[in-house]
Amino acid sequence: NAGVTQTPKFRVLKTGQSMTLLCAQDMNHEYMYWYRQDPGMGLRLIHYSVGEGTTAKGEVPDGYNVSRLKKQNFLLGLESAAPSQTSVYFCASSPYHEQYFGPGTRLTVT
Amino acid sequence: QQQVKQSPQSLIVQKGGISIINCAYENTAFDYFPWYQQFPGKGPALLIAIRPDVSEKKEGRFTISFNKSAKQFSLHIMDSQPGDSATYFCAASMVETSGSRLTFGEGTQLTVNP
Repeated sequence: NAGVTQTPKFRVLKTGQSMTLLCAQDMNHEYMYWYRQDPGMGLRLIHYSVGEGTTAKGEVPDGYNVSRLKKQNFLLGLESAAPSQTSVYFCASSPYHEQYFGPGTRLTVT
Repeated sequence: QQQVKQSPQSLIVQKGGISIINCAYENTAFDYFPWYQQFPGKGPALLIAIRPDVSEKKEGRFTISFNKSAKQFSLHIMDSQPGDSATYFCAASMVETSGSRLTFGEGTQLTVNP
């Protein structure tokens, strides 16, 4: 099992550009999550999904959109990137409480 | 609004010593308290977790102590090793109508000197 994988690993965007981050899990988990990690602030929940076709807002959803068209995939979109979105993004999946994290995507917005 | 407060921000201990990281929470509806370990360039990984119906859980050198009345829990790392050097996050979770969500503390960067 690959567990949770994230694509891409690194990305540099210019302000105003758009991009999509892909998260895939092969553990048949119902729940999936997107977090951002910034120094001194821990992990903050952006959006999450409790099942295929469902999404919900987390703590810091502004500027991001998500989709869960297939159970194994959870996409995070940035429609118009801003420098404040420079961060490391982590995806996680969970069967209930225990969350399994991917390796992260380092995004820089210039 | 930070619902889980973690301290200290950084911690340096000598090899063989005891590392102690503390967390406090506000929401009494939380029913699951995990600790995650993160190495540089990697995603967080679950280390140990506890539910509020027990006061302590031990797994190898790692122990969670839980004080429900004080709304505090802590991670103790016995016989700390250089390989334990990492960032540690406490978290708290509760089941809501829209699923289970984790709220993380700010993290503690642990350095174990040889």
